[in-house]
Amino acid sequence: ELKVEQNPLFLSMQEGKNYTIYCNYSTTSDRLYWYRQDPGKSLESLFVLLSNGAVKQEGRLMASLDTKARLSTLHITAAVHDLSATYFCAVASGTYKYIFGTGTRLKVLA
Amino acid sequence: DTGVSQNPRHKITKRGQNVTFRCDPISEHNRLYWYRQTLGQGPEFLTYFQNEAQLEKSRLLSDRFSAERPKGSFSTLEIQRTEQGDSAMYLCASSYDSYEQYFGPGTRLTVT
Repeated sequence: ELKVEQNPLFLSMQEGKNYTIYCNYSTTSDRLYWYRQDPGKSLESLFVLLSNGAVKQEGRLMASLDTKARLSTLHITAAVHDLSATYFCAVASGTYKYIFGTGTRLKVLA
Repeated sequence: DTGVSQNPRHKITKRGQNVTFRCDPISEHNRLYWYRQTLGQGPEFLTYFQNEAQLEKSRLLSDRFSAERPKGSFSTLEIQRTEQGDSAMYLCASSYDSYEQYFGPGTRLTVT
């Protein structure tokens, strides 16, 4: 059964710094998603990655996918306080099912 | 379109009672998903509909849980004989033949 692991689980970083969140998954999949969740809120779609080598960027966030390594990264550039949230990756398992990671709780300190 | 809506937003019930939640997806979306999320965890897949057909159901879902999507529009999730372990946020998401899911605000269930 597909397992999805994220690390780190918690990340506290200074404003202006760069950091990377990692998402590893255990079996072959052709679709990977990144979501953001603010406390008490629902999930907001950030990126959809559909092929090996896919790279997408939005503002200070950039996501990439390496299907051979079964690894996706979410890179944060010059973090700002507004990026504080929990970030989830989700991997497609078969046609209809999606398995989420446990999330990375990011706190950006001023 | 205002996005995916869910009702109620909060539900407090006593153990043993039945509860029903409703999800209204984005109107042109033919795919609908239900997830459960507990504190500090990622969403856990419960079930999936394509139009009115329930095509996948998690093996973790006990027989106390049932979901319907009549006419391929809104969906309901019912939990019978609720237990304290059912306390969680129940999330609905929809998509249209694409891979991007749009999530609703969720229904927070508290079983006392």
